[in-house]
Amino acid sequence: EVQLVQSGAEVKKPGESLKISCKGSGYSFTTYWIAWVRQMPGKGLEWMGIIYPGDSDTRYSPSFQDQVTISADKSISTAYLQWSSLKASDTAMYYCALDWYLDYWGQGTLVTVSS
Amino acid sequence: EIVLTQSPGTLSLSPGERATLSCRASQSVSNSYLAWYQQKPGQAPRLLIYGASTRATGIPDRFSGSESGTDFTLTISRLEPEDFAVYYCQQYDNSPTFGQGTKVEIK
Repeated sequence: EVQLVQSGAEVKKPGESLKISCKGSGYSFTTYWIAWVRQMPGKGLEWMGIIYPGDSDTRYSPSFQDQVTISADKSISTAYLQWSSLKASDTAMYYCALDWYLDYWGQGTLVTVSS
Repeated sequence: EIVLTQSPGTLSLSPGERATLSCRASQSVSNSYLAWYQQKPGQAPRLLIYGASTRATGIPDRFSGSESGTDFTLTISRLEPEDFAVYYCQQYDNSPTFGQGTKVEIK
C-alpha cells in the first residue's frame, strides 16, 4: 500500500527556520516524483514544487522559487520542505503528494507562524 | 504560466442531480495533462481524474471528465451525499497550477 506520512504540526515564530518531512513507503521511492502543495487557511491549493528522489532533479513554481527549498534523502525514503526564515504568511497546511498528477497524498502538516 | 479558471464558484444542487463543473485554461494544455481533485473539510484532496478523462483507481463511474480545446469539464452524473465537497482542476503540463475551486453544496 502506497503511503506518504508527514511530520507533525509546527508552531514557529517569524524569522525561524523549519524543515518538514514526508516519508514514502509501499512503492519505489526513487522512481516517482514527490510534489509539495500549500493550502492557506480557507483558501485553495497551490503547487509549490517537485523533486525526483532518484537524482534530486527539482522544479519550483515561480511563486515559490527562492522562498523554500525542496530536498530528498533516498536512503530513508523521505522528502523535505524547508524555510530559512519563516513569515506569518507561511501559515498554512502543507501537503506532499506523489507524481505530477497527485495520485497519493500525505495527511498534511499544519505550519503556524506567529509571534 | 497556465491560468485555470473554474466556474461556477459554487454549485447548489440536490442529491440525485447532475453536476457539471468547468475549468478553462488560458492556453493549450499539452497531452491532456489535466486532473481533477475532490477535497472534503479537514481532509487531503483525492485524485478523481487524470489525463482529462481517465478515472483514478477506485473512483466511481458517476465521475467523468472531458475536454474540448482549452475547456475541461468534470461531470458527476448523479450526486450522492458524499459528493458534496470542493473540486479543483490542475494542469500538470508545465509548471503545474490549480484552478481556484468549485464548491458543490446541498441545495
